[in-house]
Amino acid sequence: EIVLTQSPTTMAASPGEKVTLTCRASSSVSYMHWYQQRSGASPKLWIYETSKLASGVPNRFSGSGSGTSYSLTINSMETEDAATYYCQQGSSYPNTFGAGTKLELK
Amino acid sequence: EVQLVESGGGLVQPGRSLKLSCAASGFTFSNYYMAWVRQAPKKGLEWVATISTSGSRTYYPDSVKGRFTISRDNAKSSLYLQMNSLKSEDTATYYCARSHYYSATGYFDYWGQGVMVTVSS
Repeated sequence: EIVLTQSPTTMAASPGEKVTLTCRASSSVSYMHWYQQRSGASPKLWIYETSKLASGVPNRFSGSGSGTSYSLTINSMETEDAATYYCQQGSSYPNTFGAGTKLELK
Repeated sequence: EVQLVESGGGLVQPGRSLKLSCAASGFTFSNYYMAWVRQAPKKGLEWVATISTSGSRTYYPDSVKGRFTISRDNAKSSLYLQMNSLKSEDTATYYCARSHYYSATGYFDYWGQGVMVTVSS
């Protein structure tokens, strides 16, 4: 099973601040996918195939990485970006998710 | 508009069974892999099952293998999850998700609103 480790677990960012969330895989994966989950809501696909933004995702978001190391970056934090972000790998079964990074507004 | 609507959740005793349903609309259901993903209270996401377009292939993690069965009815655009021998650790919100799957990877591009399953005596 491929274990995904996200860091940090929790962080707070001020409006306008640049934010980087990381996800490390225990074995190499072809792609990483990211989901945003706001409090009380269902998860939403946010970034797929490492760097492609899902429909409706603002272009202040970006994704990058390869092999075992991936990241999600927000160029300039906005209020609406406060949420929990999960990474997920689908390169092998069982599909696995990271434990999530809770991003709060400072 | 893609819509996934789950139903069938509730309170069930340990060791009993429950069947979840997911009604899909807004896309050609038979063209997509489908999946169930769960989230225990205050916890992260856990993949539970995936089924191929025809239903001929199914995939499960060890935590539910042999107890849960995913199935689909393409004529009714419906997805199901039969859960047997339920345990307290199966308590979670269960999400139906459309799976975008190909040889290199798979991800979940649309999610339902979720249905709560509570396993308790």
